[in-house]
Amino acid sequence: DAKTTQPTSMDCAEGRAANLPCNHSTISGNEYVYWYRQIHSQGPQYIIHGLKNNETNEMASLIITEDRKSSTLILPHATLRDTAVYYCIVRDNTGNQFYFGTGTSLTVIP
Amino acid sequence: GAGVSQSPSNKVTEKGKDVELRCDPISGHTALYWYRQSLGQGLEFLIYFQGNSAPDKSGLPSDRFSAERTGGSVSTLTIQRTQQEDSAVYLCASSLVYRGDRQPQHFGDGTRLSIL
Repeated sequence: DAKTTQPTSMDCAEGRAANLPCNHSTISGNEYVYWYRQIHSQGPQYIIHGLKNNETNEMASLIITEDRKSSTLILPHATLRDTAVYYCIVRDNTGNQFYFGTGTSLTVIP
Repeated sequence: GAGVSQSPSNKVTEKGKDVELRCDPISGHTALYWYRQSLGQGLEFLIYFQGNSAPDKSGLPSDRFSAERTGGSVSTLTIQRTQQEDSAVYLCASSLVYRGDRQPQHFGDGTRLSIL
C-alpha cells in the first residue's frame, strides 16, 4: 500500500470549513484513497473514499487531484464533535488490512 | 442500523489468565478483521476472516493468540496465558465483499484489555 503524508495537527474554527490535506505521491492506479477518523475511546469511523473522481457524502467531500498524488478531505461546517484524529489511507481493494499512520489531529475551536 | 458490536467493552485480568473477546459484525458482512491498538499507537492488523475461514493470520503475534468465526457471523479472539504486553484495545471491523473487492471496513469501539 502507498505511503501517505499528513500534517500532524490542525486547528479549525467552529462553523468554518476544515480542509485536511494528504499527500500520496506513490499511489498506483488501482489504489483508492480512504479517510477515517478516530475520536478518543472509540473505534475508527469510516468517512469517505474515492478512486479518481471527487466524492461527496453526508459527512464530507473528498477532492483528489488530477494526477492523484494528493487529496483533501473537506468538512464543510466543522463542529466541536469533529475534533478527532483523521487518517488518510491508500490501498487497493484486494488487501486484507488498512495501514493507519499517525494521522492529523484536528481540533475544532469554539 | 446496528454497527459492529464488541464485548466486553473493558476487561481487566491477571497475568497468565486466558481471555476471550467477542465481535458481532454488521449483518451480511462476510469479511471480518481483528486489529489491536496500543496506547498512542496506530492499528496493528491481527487476522482476517472471509466467511468462516481465515486466509490471512499473518498478524497474530504468537501462538497464544487464536481466533475463530462460526456461522459466518460472530468471531471470538482468544488470548491464552496473557502477558502484560497484551494490554491494548482490540478492535474488530467488518466489510462487504463485492465482486472480490473488499468494501470499506466498519469498526466497533473495541475491547480495552488490561493485564495486571
